[in-house]
Amino acid sequence: DSGVTQTPKHLITATGQRVTLRCSPRSGDLSVYWYQQSLDQGLQFLIQYYNGEERAKGNILERFSAQQFPDLHSELNLSSLELGDSALYFCASSVGTSFETQYFGPGTRLLVL
Amino acid sequence: GDSVTQMEGPVTLSEEAFLTINCTYTATGYPSLFWYVQYPGEGLQLLLKATKADDKGSNKGFEATYRKETTSFHLEKGSVQVSDSAVYFCALSDPEYGNKLVFGAGTILRVKS
Repeated sequence: DSGVTQTPKHLITATGQRVTLRCSPRSGDLSVYWYQQSLDQGLQFLIQYYNGEERAKGNILERFSAQQFPDLHSELNLSSLELGDSALYFCASSVGTSFETQYFGPGTRLLVL
Repeated sequence: GDSVTQMEGPVTLSEEAFLTINCTYTATGYPSLFWYVQYPGEGLQLLLKATKADDKGSNKGFEATYRKETTSFHLEKGSVQVSDSAVYFCALSDPEYGNKLVFGAGTILRVKS
């Protein structure tokens, strides 16, 4: 158990809908990262937050957004969902922002029908 | 940009065989290097890491040495077990681009008894 929790574990929804994925980092970690794992694109970095502020952005679509709240949990919002958004979404956390080991949650499997 | 290249799988071995999974990287800065493992239906777990040239990371019988001259971080284990069957991901974290992880495509390892 990494100490990172993600909910829900599974999510099935329809095209055009909006969903919210939630992540709670390990106790004491200030950084939260979101990654997407799909068969065609592999594991890709989406976005990082550090202590409530956006720190780095990767290949995140404009339809996707995220935030980190004062209690340090984070939410990833996916809107106008398309079939191609079906993937496993991982959250990871680390203490800081440089050369830090990232600890991954169990992931949320999203299926868009 | 930064990238990680892993040997393609699946790799199929008999129990107690020697394992090597090749990993090479391209980075603009001085990255930290990681091996993560993903067991079926689970999230990613950190297996080992190395933060500077010639460092050797080791854990659970697995080893990898950070070779700057060949830009490589090959994973090795002297005697694999059936329980080692999983997907192995090589990754780097480049301070030029914050702490985000750049992953290789992953290598499926299957160990037969």
